[in-house]
Amino acid sequence: DAGVIQSPRHEVTEMGQEVTLRCKPISGHNSLFWYRQTMMRGLELLIYFNNNVPIDDSGMPEDRFSAKMPNASFSTLKIQPSEPRDSAVYFCASSLEGSFGGYTFGSGTRLTVV
Amino acid sequence: QQPVQSPQAVILREGEDAVINCSSSKALYSVHWYRQKHGEAPVFLMILLKGGEQKGHEKISASFNEKKQQSSLYLTASQLSYSGTYFCGTDGSGNTGKLIFGQGTTLQVKP
Repeated sequence: DAGVIQSPRHEVTEMGQEVTLRCKPISGHNSLFWYRQTMMRGLELLIYFNNNVPIDDSGMPEDRFSAKMPNASFSTLKIQPSEPRDSAVYFCASSLEGSFGGYTFGSGTRLTVV
Repeated sequence: QQPVQSPQAVILREGEDAVINCSSSKALYSVHWYRQKHGEAPVFLMILLKGGEQKGHEKISASFNEKKQQSSLYLTASQLSYSGTYFCGTDGSGNTGKLIFGQGTTLQVKP
């Protein structure tokens, strides 16, 4: 298995632009999580899905952030409009619901908003 | 509620032992441990479920005391490859799989 695949690896964008981050979870995993990592705030859970359904989006910072999971093999995290304070590494992770296998993280997307 | 890890940072010589602690103010269903190397994604080490279970992974083991709402990660005879930041992730809501991560403990192993 190729693991959790995220794209792009790096994104530099200007303030006010729309940014879309993509994630392909491991086949067969039915839980998907979006985390954001910064030095100040550490690893923050933004949203998670079970069986493609959003279960908890309480960590989404504000309405500028939205996430979708149209099918079991694809999810997007969109920021519109982007702001410099959104600069961070965004990780997608997947797991088997209730499994003992833990999370498998993607390589992350390093987002820089200038 | 974010779990609290201690210490924040540890510097060891190869072969020395270390303990990293993770405490929560909430009752826990499970605790996960991950290691992240600089510029890479966190990698799963192990999961512990309530019941005081202790698990091992090579020379890295962990315990979980659900009464005290604490978990500890034990690194024995540390190797250079153990360097990185260790995170505990806690699930306090009944195996939802939703983890809240601690702030991390940076471990540096020197030759």
